[in-house]
Amino acid sequence: QKEVEQDPGPLSVPEGAIVSLNCTYSNSAFQYFMWYRQYSRKGPELLMYTYSSGNKEDGRFTAQVDKSSKYISLFIRDSQPSDSATYLCAGDSWGKLQFGAGTQVVVTP
Amino acid sequence: DTGVSQDPRHKITKRGQNVTFRCDPISEHNRLYWYRQTLGQGPEFLTYFQNEAQLEKSRLLSDRFSAERPKGSFSTLEIQRTEQGDSAMYLCASSSPVGEQYFGPGTRLTVT
Repeated sequence: QKEVEQDPGPLSVPEGAIVSLNCTYSNSAFQYFMWYRQYSRKGPELLMYTYSSGNKEDGRFTAQVDKSSKYISLFIRDSQPSDSATYLCAGDSWGKLQFGAGTQVVVTP
Repeated sequence: DTGVSQDPRHKITKRGQNVTFRCDPISEHNRLYWYRQTLGQGPEFLTYFQNEAQLEKSRLLSDRFSAERPKGSFSTLEIQRTEQGDSAMYLCASSSPVGEQYFGPGTRLTVT
């Protein structure tokens, strides 16, 4: 069983809609959680970095962490076609990131 | 541009050949990581350095793989006697001791 599970999608939404992405994890040692965006054939780009349970907002992005349920979420408001990418969640265990397989998101104009 | 850089961006090699990749981290970061990513999967941890010391290696890193960071700045990842299963994107990331990891653009390896 993978330490981080993520629905591979694809998740298709119309432009302007809210994108909702989720991951579950099993490793209680994870101290930090991250969301990365990855365009095809490019390196992952850091979107959000969170430590504690609760919400963190940055522009159109909101990350939620629920350590009691081992559940993390990312919401993208007012989605744009340029948000079409693969979104990776990751947990940090002493510097080593464990990634989910990624969710492909398609935002249609 | 002060981000993480990797060279080459794409390498095509024949099975059995040796290849070497280079990573230049963000200058003030003392931690450097290597990951491998195959199609449809998230990156998998291979190894990491703090300054010039290699602190951990994954079981994924067979004896054919070696990584160095001789002066605590850039790092190299060498694969000896490449196999078709080594075809993947090799990603480098850097961070401060407690901080976010920033990734480079990756080196795409194709073994024919």
